[in-house]
Amino acid sequence: AQSVTQPDIHITVSEGASLELRCNYSYGATPYLFWYVQSPGQGLQLLLKYFSGDTLVQGIKGFEAEFKRSQSSFNLRKPSVHWSDAAEYFCAVGFNFGNEKLTFGTGTRLTIIP
Amino acid sequence: NAGVTQTPKFRVLKTGQSMTLLCAQDMNHEYMYWYRQDPGMGLRLIHYSVGEGTTAKGEVPDGYNVSRLKKQNFLLGLESAAPSQTSVYFCASSYFGTDTQYFGPGTRLTVL
Repeated sequence: AQSVTQPDIHITVSEGASLELRCNYSYGATPYLFWYVQSPGQGLQLLLKYFSGDTLVQGIKGFEAEFKRSQSSFNLRKPSVHWSDAAEYFCAVGFNFGNEKLTFGTGTRLTIIP
Repeated sequence: NAGVTQTPKFRVLKTGQSMTLLCAQDMNHEYMYWYRQDPGMGLRLIHYSVGEGTTAKGEVPDGYNVSRLKKQNFLLGLESAAPSQTSVYFCASSYFGTDTQYFGPGTRLTVL
């Protein structure tokens, strides 16, 4: 079955440090890939997405993600985190054009320490 | 553009009561979704719709009903609320199934 895995439930990083959040999926063809962010008490906001083309995708708030077909991964990165980046991050995958829904990972909660 | 809006923002029910959550979008999207979010469980799809007049079951449909009488609105109903339905409910919409979903701000529901 098609699935999305975010292996890290909770990550803590220091302000100013670099960040990488992992996302893996199981699927044979190239999927549609998304990263969303959810601040406390808010809805989900799109950070970036990959449909095709350049495998390194730039998003909002200084985030980027790289699609690696050989590893079935779409990891989210930021070179230097800010206290305002503390939130929950969700990876989502669309399998097959024409499919009716996205599959979401269970999320990674990011804590920033001063 | 308001995007996706949800009404109400908060609600407290007693067990057995009924209620309807309203989701509205002004982006002319065909697809609309209802999710629930519980601690440690991520987002779980309740029901969705691929166009006006259509509905389909998601991952956790039991205890909920939906209707999509107008393209811009998607209603989620609880006929007889149970404490297990205490959750935060999110609505989302998109142009097509594997496209970007735009989310509403959520409804926090507590069932006593």
